[in-house]
Amino acid sequence: QVQLQESGPGLVKPSETLSLTCTVSGGSLRGYYWGWVRQPPGKGLEWIGYVYYPASMGSISNNYGFSLKTRATISLDRSNNRFSLEVRSVTAADTAFYYCTRRSGRTFDHWGQGALVTVSS
Amino acid sequence: QTVVTQEPSLTVSPGGTVTLTCGSSTGAVTSSSYSNWFQKKPGQAPRALIYTTSNRHSWTPARFSGSLLGDKAALTLSDVQPEDEAEYYCLLYFGAAVIFGGGTKLTVL
Repeated sequence: QVQLQESGPGLVKPSETLSLTCTVSGGSLRGYYWGWVRQPPGKGLEWIGYVYYPASMGSISNNYGFSLKTRATISLDRSNNRFSLEVRSVTAADTAFYYCTRRSGRTFDHWGQGALVTVSS
Repeated sequence: QTVVTQEPSLTVSPGGTVTLTCGSSTGAVTSSSYSNWFQKKPGQAPRALIYTTSNRHSWTPARFSGSLLGDKAALTLSDVQPEDEAEYYCLLYFGAAVIFGGGTKLTVL
């Protein structure tokens, strides 16, 4: 059974970089899309982006949502079976629950439990 | 910027039936939108219910069904149970990108 678990600092200062890691257990990174979604308090779900790791020959690729396109980077750590999110130049508007997820085909079937990140000085 | 629209809130009685819809500012939602539906309860991660318009996951109760209704995607809940009270989010594909709808808060009363 595939499980995802987010980890990282729960408090980040304004203008700094938010960094989260999602550790995948019970399955391989290869052949899937690995993404991040966030939910600010009292608001809806927002797609951040994903990294795709092909099952066979091919390049790793990324796609980002419109709102964080210029500030977010999602990367793979294949040796440790995990992937990461960085969001640069954060403000209070980046305070949210951050969820990591796996896309298989056209479905997002596995999710982490979520990590609350607060941006405050 | 593309917007995906959902009803902000709906109320249904236990045992009743309710339909939630999901529209796109770019035009009709089709099978190529590969619509997904998620259930979100406070303090919990989103739970996938429906993918590619009408396919249930193995854990999705049969009372949840997905379809296309006119120019929108739809999620119908039949024989609604008290535990179905939650927020429901649709997700649409636009090529390589995906966008969530604003969510529907479903109250069972």
